[in-house]
Amino acid sequence: SAVISQKPSRDICQRGTSLTIQCQVDSQVTMMFWYRQQPGQSLTLIATANQGSEATYESGFVIDKFPISRPNLTFSTLTVSNMSPEDSSIYLCSVAGTAVAKNIQYFGAGTRLSVL
Amino acid sequence: SQQGEEDPQALSIQEGENATMNCSYKTSINNLQWYRQNSGRGLVHLILIRSNEREKHSGRLRVTLDTSKKSSSLLITASRAADTASYFCATAAGYNAGNMLTFGGGTRLMVKP
Repeated sequence: SAVISQKPSRDICQRGTSLTIQCQVDSQVTMMFWYRQQPGQSLTLIATANQGSEATYESGFVIDKFPISRPNLTFSTLTVSNMSPEDSSIYLCSVAGTAVAKNIQYFGAGTRLSVL
Repeated sequence: SQQGEEDPQALSIQEGENATMNCSYKTSINNLQWYRQNSGRGLVHLILIRSNEREKHSGRLRVTLDTSKKSSSLLITASRAADTASYFCATAAGYNAGNMLTFGGGTRLMVKP
């Protein structure tokens, strides 16, 4: 399995500010994903972070609001920009394509974001 | 959008009882996976069943898959208080590394001691 470190674990932010979430994996992985989980809901995929190129966003999510970087095969960041209370959620990164189990996704512990 | 629908949405049982959760999906899949999430934390992979498999076991977990009905079930036998969590099914359309998963709505399981 892969060990994923996601930071910060939680934050309380003011409306209009931005927060960058980091995701670090202990081994090189093929794919990295970012999800949003609103309170009491399931996971919604925001985007696939592509190494060395622009992320692939799902319907309803745009780069200006959720810019993503992936400079190498073990690290990615998600920024939540110009936040509003509607952005209060848990944000999760996951990875897939490890040497051991290519079809399983491994998740970070999540970032619990509250926007005031 | 979510492909999977899970039922029940919430389930409360006594320790020692069995818990059964069901998942239905809409499109063809290559595999279906079950994940557990404790208290809004990250998800933990439990088990993967491929489209050509009908049943799979892992410890106290038993998963079935009926591709003709586009449904799966997760059975947890002899439940423990530590099994209290949300359980999600997730479907994958392909078999390549990193194929996207589409998650169901989840079942919140509470096991009372």
